[in-house]
Amino acid sequence: DIQMTQSPSTLSASVGDRVTITCRASQSISSWLAWYQQKPGKAPKLLIYKASSLESGVPSRFSGSGSGTEFTLTISSLQPDDFATYYCQQYNSLWTFGQGTKVEIK
Amino acid sequence: EVQLVESGGGLVKPGGSLRLSCAASGFTFSSYSMNWVRQAPGKGLEWVSSISSSSSYIYYADSVKGRFTISRDNAKNSLYLQMNSLRAEDTAVYYCARVLITMIVADAFDIWGQGTMVTVSS
Repeated sequence: DIQMTQSPSTLSASVGDRVTITCRASQSISSWLAWYQQKPGKAPKLLIYKASSLESGVPSRFSGSGSGTEFTLTISSLQPDDFATYYCQQYNSLWTFGQGTKVEIK
Repeated sequence: EVQLVESGGGLVKPGGSLRLSCAASGFTFSSYSMNWVRQAPGKGLEWVSSISSSSSYIYYADSVKGRFTISRDNAKNSLYLQMNSLRAEDTAVYYCARVLITMIVADAFDIWGQGTMVTVSS
């Protein structure tokens, strides 16, 4: 089974900050990685697929990079609507989610 | 509008059974693989099961294999999850989710339902 490890688990940031979340896979997953945003009581929302492709309708301040075993999600300038929990997901071999990164207000 | 609506959740005793449904609308349901994903209270996301567009390929997480059965009825635009031998650790919100691209099984999930809560407790 492929394990996904996100860091940090919690991130405190201010509006306007550049934020980076890292996701590491226990083995190579090529570029088969997605990022999701989830707000309390809501379903997850797809942000990025295939490591760096921006889902339609998602603001361009979100970007993804990486391949193999190491990936990053970057928010170039954090907005009030971006405070949420973010999950990575591999789909190279079945599906596995990372444990999540909560982005909270500093 | 592309939409998924889950139903069938509720309170069930350990060892009991429950059948979840997911009604799809606004897209050609028969062209997409579908999935169930769950989230225990205060915890992260866990993929549960996947079914291809024609039901030819079915996959389960080890945690539910042998107890849960995924199925679909393309004529009714519906996805199902039959859950047997339920345990306390199955308590979670269950989401149905569509894959991003038609006719592909292994893909990201672009459309999610609102979720249905399953509570396993005596």
